[in-house]
Amino acid sequence: GAVVSQHPSWVICKSGTSVKIECRSLDFQATTMFWYRQFPKQSLMLMATSNEGSKATYEQGVEKDKFLINHASLTLSTLTVTSAHPEDSSFYICSAKTGRGPDTQYFGPGTRLTVL
Amino acid sequence: GESVGLHLPTLSVQEGDNSIINCAYSNSASDYFIWYKQESGKGPQFIIDIRSNMDKRQGQRVTVLLNKTVKHLSLQIAATQPGDSAVYFCAENAGGTSYGKLTFGQGTILTVHP
Repeated sequence: GAVVSQHPSWVICKSGTSVKIECRSLDFQATTMFWYRQFPKQSLMLMATSNEGSKATYEQGVEKDKFLINHASLTLSTLTVTSAHPEDSSFYICSAKTGRGPDTQYFGPGTRLTVL
Repeated sequence: GESVGLHLPTLSVQEGDNSIINCAYSNSASDYFIWYKQESGKGPQFIIDIRSNMDKRQGQRVTVLLNKTVKHLSLQIAATQPGDSAVYFCAENAGGTSYGKLTFGQGTILTVHP
């Protein structure tokens, strides 16, 4: 149980276009989902915390107008990278929580974004 | 301590050896710690966790040690296998209103040679 999926697993787009990444909890309801970004040979950096039915909370330095997050249901959160540029190329990973504590967080397989 | 950088620490071991991966954390308020394994192109995979009221926890072939005095965490892997080759991250949670939010360490590349 506790499986998190992401779609697409990889995407290549042209500079200036927008890309939507989906994160789904397949067999549980996730009141909270997190979005991370990981550059090559670096650690995961938290971008934002997404709670179902409310606005996402962004970490310092993350542009909320550029990285739009929607958590419309207990099993789906989306991250839209708007007007993508080559520097947005990265590995985007989501995680979902099943409960209140930090010990119930499960990670998705990640989405590789390449902006040409 | 560890800082975010472009060059992850590396650890190379022979198959069958024991591996020890270290992590320093900075937030003395952190009360929950997790070790993750990440293979190339995949998301993090949970290995083992420990709460701040413990100093040692054992799993299958893995042991996590926590030293709150010096804010140090280690992961010991017994009888390391080639399938253990991956990047290993420690993560901490500060609790309180930050419950659920994880701060990841720099990561260590483990390479196991047959």
